[in-house]
Amino acid sequence: AQSVTQLGSHVSVSEGALVLLRCNYSSSVPPYLFWYVQYPNQGLQLLLKYTSAATLVKGINGFEAEFKKSETSFHLTKPSAHMSDAAEYFCAVDNNNDMRFGAGTRLTVKP
Amino acid sequence: DAGVTQSPTHLIKTRGQQVTLRCSPKSGHDTVSWYQQALGQGPQFIFQYYEEEERQRGNFPDRFSGHQFPNYSSELNVNALLLGDSALYLCASSLQVSYNEQFFGPGTRLTVL
Repeated sequence: AQSVTQLGSHVSVSEGALVLLRCNYSSSVPPYLFWYVQYPNQGLQLLLKYTSAATLVKGINGFEAEFKKSETSFHLTKPSAHMSDAAEYFCAVDNNNDMRFGAGTRLTVKP
Repeated sequence: DAGVTQSPTHLIKTRGQQVTLRCSPKSGHDTVSWYQQALGQGPQFIFQYYEEEERQRGNFPDRFSGHQFPNYSSELNVNALLLGDSALYLCASSLQVSYNEQFFGPGTRLTVL
């Protein structure tokens, strides 16, 4: 069965610093991959989606993720963190309508 | 354009009771999925409804059931509540043709005492 592992339940960066949130997946076939963001007391919002069209996927709010098949990774990055980026981030994998989410990474942005 | 809406926002029940949660999908969407998000964890897929039928189901017991109405809105029912059912229940809607591009509602926080 497919699964997602998010390395690091908490990540803290300074405002303006690089954001790197790690996600590794396991899947028997090329999957769809997603990153979602969840702000306190809200539902999940889609940041970006990988569909095999391009390995570098650009999303909203300046985020992007790179699909690396050899590493089975789909890490999320943003060049410069903003205070408003503080939230919970979830990586997810979908294979044939079987959506699995990681446990999440809480991003803290320090002034 | 209203997004996905869920009701109620919060709910407190006792063990053994039954609960019904409601979801209205984003305008134009025909598919509704339900997820359970326990505290500190990622969402877990419960089931998905399309054309008023359950199309896919996650690893949840039969105590969890659902329904989709002709207007595409949906209900999640949980019988014989357990303490472990306390969680945030998320509804997500999509178009069947792009079923995994899901829009999530704010969720219903269920507390079982």
